[in-house]
Amino acid sequence: AQTVTQSQPEMSVQEAETVTLSCTYDTSESDYYLFWYKQPPSRQMILVIRQEAYKQQNATENRFSVNFQKAAKSFSLKISDSQLGDAAMYFCAYRSVSYSGGGADGLTFGKGTHLIIQP
Amino acid sequence: EAQVTQNPRYLITVTGKKLTVTCSQNMNHEYMSWYRQDPGLGLRQIYYSMNVEVTDKGDVPEGYKVSRKEKRNFPLILESPSPNQTSLYFCASSLRGSGVYEQYFGPGTRLTVT
Repeated sequence: AQTVTQSQPEMSVQEAETVTLSCTYDTSESDYYLFWYKQPPSRQMILVIRQEAYKQQNATENRFSVNFQKAAKSFSLKISDSQLGDAAMYFCAYRSVSYSGGGADGLTFGKGTHLIIQP
Repeated sequence: EAQVTQNPRYLITVTGKKLTVTCSQNMNHEYMSWYRQDPGLGLRQIYYSMNVEVTDKGDVPEGYKVSRKEKRNFPLILESPSPNQTSLYFCASSLRGSGVYEQYFGPGTRLTVT
C-alpha cells in the first residue's frame, strides 16, 4: 500500500514571499499521479496542481509549482508571491494509474500542512 | 454547472439512530467515492464505486454501507452511528476509476454523533 507523508503540520510565511510545502511518498509502482489539494476555511477541496509520474517536467499553475523528484519520492509544492487567500490546509495525495482490484482504489492523502499567511 | 452535491451539510444525531448522507453528481461520472476527514489524519477512503452496482471497501469501511443503484447517486449509510464516526465526510467523483481522471469533491458533510 502507498503512504504519503507531510512532515510539516504548520507553516507560516509573510505575504508576497515564497513558501515550500514538503511531501514524500512511498510506493512500489512506477507510474502514478500526485496531487496537491487546497482546503480553505470553507472546507471545499480544491485541486491546485497535478503531476504525472512519467513526465519529468515539473507541473506549474500560475504561482504554484512543484519540485518532483521521482527517485527520492518527493513532491514539494512551491507557492510564489504568497497571498492572503492562499491561507488554507494543503494536502498532498497519491493515486495509482489504474485500478488493479483487490484493494482500496482512490486518493491516498497525507495528513496536511496548515499554511498561515502573515500580512 | 458541473458539481457534486451532498446532503445534509450538517447533522447532529444520537448513537444508534440510522442515517443516510446523500451524494449526487451531474457529470455522468462512473467512479464515486466517500472519504472521511479527521484532524491530524487527513482524508481516508471509506468506500468507492467503479460503476452502477459495483462497490468496494476503502481503507476504513467498518460501520458504513453504500449502494450504487443509479449512476448519479452514491449514498452513505450509517446503520448504527457511534461517536467515533463523528467526522467531516466528503463524496467525490471522477469520469473513470483511474488516476488520470481528476476527482471532484462535494462540499462536505459535518456529522456529530452524541
